Amino acid sequence: GAVVSQHPSWVICKSGTSVKIECRSLDFQATTMFWYRQFPKQSLMLMATSNEGSKATYEQGVEKDKFLINHASLTLSTLTVTSAHPEDSSFYICSAKRVSSGTYEQYFGPGTRLTVT
Amino acid sequence: LAKTTQPISMDSYEGQEVNITCSHNNIATNDYITWYQQFPSQGPRFIIQGYKTKVTNEVASLFIPADRKSSTLSLPRVSLSDTAVYYCLVGDIQSGRRALTFGSGTRLQVQP
Repeated sequence: GAVVSQHPSWVICKSGTSVKIECRSLDFQATTMFWYRQFPKQSLMLMATSNEGSKATYEQGVEKDKFLINHASLTLSTLTVTSAHPEDSSFYICSAKRVSSGTYEQYFGPGTRLTVT
Repeated sequence: LAKTTQPISMDSYEGQEVNITCSHNNIATNDYITWYQQFPSQGPRFIIQGYKTKVTNEVASLFIPADRKSSTLSLPRVSLSDTAVYYCLVGDIQSGRRALTFGSGTRLQVQP
């Protein structure tokens, strides 16, 4: 199946600093990627939709100035958590859509564990 | 977006068949049904996807009745490694405009 990677797999940062998470589609081109956040024992919550070459679309309640998304190429999207605070500590998961036989298949990355101290 | 309802948790034993049912009463004409599996601290893994009737692959079967208001994921002869959270998602995957949204999922515990 299609492979989506994320880097780093885990990161610890100090409160007030910024952290960048990369999402790559390794064997297909993805014009659309999605960013999710998951807190312990909870389901995945969609944060934003990242479209190559255009601005990201954020879900209600997600601060676009805090969670900066850049989708500069067909295989790479980045999420930057700016001025991170302990409440931003979470599991961040990206996914990429691949066209297959007229439908879209959504493949997920392995996730990035962010801990803000 | 169609809302999904699944049992919060299920228990089973190794070697048994497990059926997880998902309700999606307001599914739209263009919506497909997709199931994902998630292990702790990992991203969701695609299991199976269908539109109607029955779909089978090497790991599972998906049963969808004619009214499409529910679906059942069937895992044959589960093993301990099938212990995970299973998510049922409903969405229009042909337009590609929207991401799949996750419900609460079903936590499956397989015991020896």
